[in-house]
Amino acid sequence: QSVLTQPPSVSGAPGQRVTISCTGSSSNIGAGYDVHWYQQLPGTAPKLLIYGNSNRPSGVPDRFSGSKSGTSASLAITGLQAEDEADYYCQSYDSSLSGSNWVFGGGTKLTVL
Amino acid sequence: QVQLVQSGAEVKKPGASVKVSCKASGYTFTSYDINWVRQATGQGLEWMGWMNPNSGNTGYAQKFQGRVTMTRNTSISTAYMELSSLRSEDTAVYYCAREGRDGYNSAGFDYWGQGTLVTVSS
Repeated sequence: QSVLTQPPSVSGAPGQRVTISCTGSSSNIGAGYDVHWYQQLPGTAPKLLIYGNSNRPSGVPDRFSGSKSGTSASLAITGLQAEDEADYYCQSYDSSLSGSNWVFGGGTKLTVL
Repeated sequence: QVQLVQSGAEVKKPGASVKVSCKASGYTFTSYDINWVRQATGQGLEWMGWMNPNSGNTGYAQKFQGRVTMTRNTSISTAYMELSSLRSEDTAVYYCAREGRDGYNSAGFDYWGQGTLVTVSS
């Protein structure tokens, strides 16, 4: 199981709003480390969607937004479009007795109904 | 434009080693860390380690320590990831990714290679 916990799947109709949660602990998100989000379309490399909890790289539509609170973070997608159907991953840094590593969530498959 | 171009697919036998390359272009290679991430078929992303191309310093995930080596050749702006003692569970797509910077903070992995499929089979 992943250090960061995401729901395996979410779904929504075109035009709707969906959110994807990412739950961590006191050794990663709760320790103040930033959360980044990635979108992975089938058969392609991941693409950076949100960095530093809530910042969008240039070219990412403002339909995508991120937030962080306590030991959790969320990705929100508004005005859902068919092209948003993909896998989404959260990422943070984890520092514990076993060492310091980048860690990913297990991924969430978004289905556009 | 920034590009990371990886070497082609590999088929290896259990116990062998594989070395994947990642050629960078469109930016100053020594200015950004390179990370390696792998993904087994139908599975999630797994971080393997990082390398600072300027100093050559590296940091590996505990799971891979002793089996992975990350190196670079700055004259050709290329990073390498070598994984030894391969087993069937190492069958995956291996990605290199540049780590962006936002001041002193990480800005996530902003550019990724196209991925290299490594198949371990007898």
